[in-house]
Amino acid sequence: GESVGLHLPTLSVQEGDNSIINCAYSNSASDYFIWYKQESGKGPQFIIDIRSNMDKRQGQRVTVLLNKTVKHLSLQIAATQPGDSAVYFCAAAIYGQNFVFGPGTRLSVLP
Amino acid sequence: NAGVMQNPRHLVRRRGQEARLRCSPMKGHSHVYWYRQLPEEGLKFMVYLQKENIIDESGMPKERFSAEFPKEGPSILRIQQVVRGDSAAYFCASSPDRGRAGELFFGEGSRLTVL
Repeated sequence: GESVGLHLPTLSVQEGDNSIINCAYSNSASDYFIWYKQESGKGPQFIIDIRSNMDKRQGQRVTVLLNKTVKHLSLQIAATQPGDSAVYFCAAAIYGQNFVFGPGTRLSVLP
Repeated sequence: NAGVMQNPRHLVRRRGQEARLRCSPMKGHSHVYWYRQLPEEGLKFMVYLQKENIIDESGMPKERFSAEFPKEGPSILRIQQVVRGDSAAYFCASSPDRGRAGELFFGEGSRLTVL
């Protein structure tokens, strides 16, 4: 099976600083990973994804890094803004099936 | 293009009653997933369905819970004889393609409160 965990349940950063949210997964067969953002009272929203044949992928202000050796991925948010405050989940899929979600990291952006 | 639609958004039931949660996937999506989320926790997979077929229900409790995705109409998650522990947010997600990994598009969730 697969289990997904996050290193920190909460993260506070100053507005304008960069944020790094970490995630560990257990099954080396996991081949697809997604980061989701969930704002209070809403459903998860897709942020960025990465496949196991890649080490890094960049989006608008976000970067996902995948280290398959230690089964770890991270989400980096550049120039964090108040609107980035939310819970962030990583999800891992094995052979593209049945995503397993981590417990989430709550990101708080301080003024 | 409407997103994944879930209703009701909020549902209150007394212990022993039935809860029915509905999910209409995005247009063109034929794969539906249901997840349960307890407060301050992650999303737990419950069931994966295609039209008229349950593909994987490994995350669904064996008793009281059932799901369907008929040929016509929304997917329905049904909880019979609800108990307080069923109180949670239930999220539906849909995807257009199962053959390769693709992102899941989530609805806004249905929040069930059992009194």
